[in-house]
Amino acid sequence: QKEVEQDPGPLSVPEGAIVSLNCTYSNSAFQYFMWYRQYSRKGPELLMYTYSSGNKEDGRFTAQVDKSSKYISLFIRDSQPSDSATYLCAMSAEGTNAGKSTFGDGTTLTVKP
Amino acid sequence: DGGITQSPKYLFRKEGQNVTLSCEQNLNHDAMYWYRQDPGQGLRLIYYSQIVNDFQKGDIAEGYSVSREKKESFPLTVTSAQKNPTAFYLCASSITRQPQHFGDGTRLSIL
Repeated sequence: QKEVEQDPGPLSVPEGAIVSLNCTYSNSAFQYFMWYRQYSRKGPELLMYTYSSGNKEDGRFTAQVDKSSKYISLFIRDSQPSDSATYLCAMSAEGTNAGKSTFGDGTTLTVKP
Repeated sequence: DGGITQSPKYLFRKEGQNVTLSCEQNLNHDAMYWYRQDPGQGLRLIYYSQIVNDFQKGDIAEGYSVSREKKESFPLTVTSAQKNPTAFYLCASSITRQPQHFGDGTRLSIL
């Protein structure tokens, strides 16, 4: 079983919808949680970065971490066609090489005008 | 503009040939990483380096080699021992305990 499991998708929503993207993990040592957005033929770009549990909001994006359930989510409000991309969750542990992250397989989102 | 530059964008390899993918960063990051991404799959770590002249194998290092002679540069060689090299290769860098920043990748195909 993989350390990080991501809802596989693909996901297709109408413009303006609220989108929920989710990952579960098994390694309780994970302390750093990231969401990346990847457009086709491009490298991933960092969207959200949180440490330990809690919520973080940045514009239309909200990241939630529930360490007790080993579950993280990314919510996108008022989704736009420009949000169409693959979203990757990533996690890393404290202490070891903390920059060395474990990635989910990605969820491809399409927002239809 | 600070960032990570990967070149070339597209690369073709013949049977039995070694090819080298370039990765340069001007972010002054200590750590650098190479990942392989296959369609519908996440990123798999090939090699990483935390400091100059030191690097460690990742999860899928077989058939690949790297060097880290300068802080800014972390080239990846795909050797002829890598029997299935067709993939999208991503280079990343980071400072300690901070998320990685990625380049825009090199797509490698077999001729």
